[in-house]
Amino acid sequence: NAGVTQTPKFQVLKTGQSMTLQCAQDMNHNSMYWYRQDPGMGLRLIYYSASEGTTDKGEVPNGYNVSRLNKREFSLRLESAAPSQTSVYFCAGMTTLSYEQYFGPGTRLTVT
Amino acid sequence: GESVGLHLPTLSVQEGDNSIINCAYSNSASDYFIWYKQESGKGPQFIIDIRSNMDKRQGQRVTVLLNKTVKHLSLQIAATQPGDSAVYFCAETHQGAQKLVFGQGTRLTINP
Repeated sequence: NAGVTQTPKFQVLKTGQSMTLQCAQDMNHNSMYWYRQDPGMGLRLIYYSASEGTTDKGEVPNGYNVSRLNKREFSLRLESAAPSQTSVYFCAGMTTLSYEQYFGPGTRLTVT
Repeated sequence: GESVGLHLPTLSVQEGDNSIINCAYSNSASDYFIWYKQESGKGPQFIIDIRSNMDKRQGQRVTVLLNKTVKHLSLQIAATQPGDSAVYFCAETHQGAQKLVFGQGTRLTINP
């Protein structure tokens, strides 16, 4: 039982490059979330998926796209990376039985 | 709109003392609150939660107090230890909501 896993752990991109951050959970979560956390700041919701087949924008969706591939997997894509997207990205899952979110270990992304 | 905020961005306490971390929320419809702990380089982890039909809930060395009249939440950590050093976030939601709203966070540092 791995919980919530994220790949990669670290990534450096040049401005304009694209990449996909992967998230998978084996906790049977219905809902999944992508957050970003800038240094010394709180968590900001980028996108979320309340159930398989649905996605919704969060607080800061611009510059990102998401795919809920199946119940287990929720990916975040940066089509054209910008330095302002340098951050730590966390994926989380949540069941509808409780509102407790379980977080992955994060992906530290630097855009130069 | 919904918002959750913390009164203090940093808090320093002596080892062995009690710590109190505060959180204010503005959405009167919120009925479920969670405290998370985030250690350096890791994702947030659930500490304790409380529903709006309760004023107080105790865990192991932690107590959460809820004052719905003034929309205030606090986390008390008894006999603070070095391992308690972390950033603490409060989060709130309400029944039927699909997401949590996180506060800014308070960094707790322990002085030996």
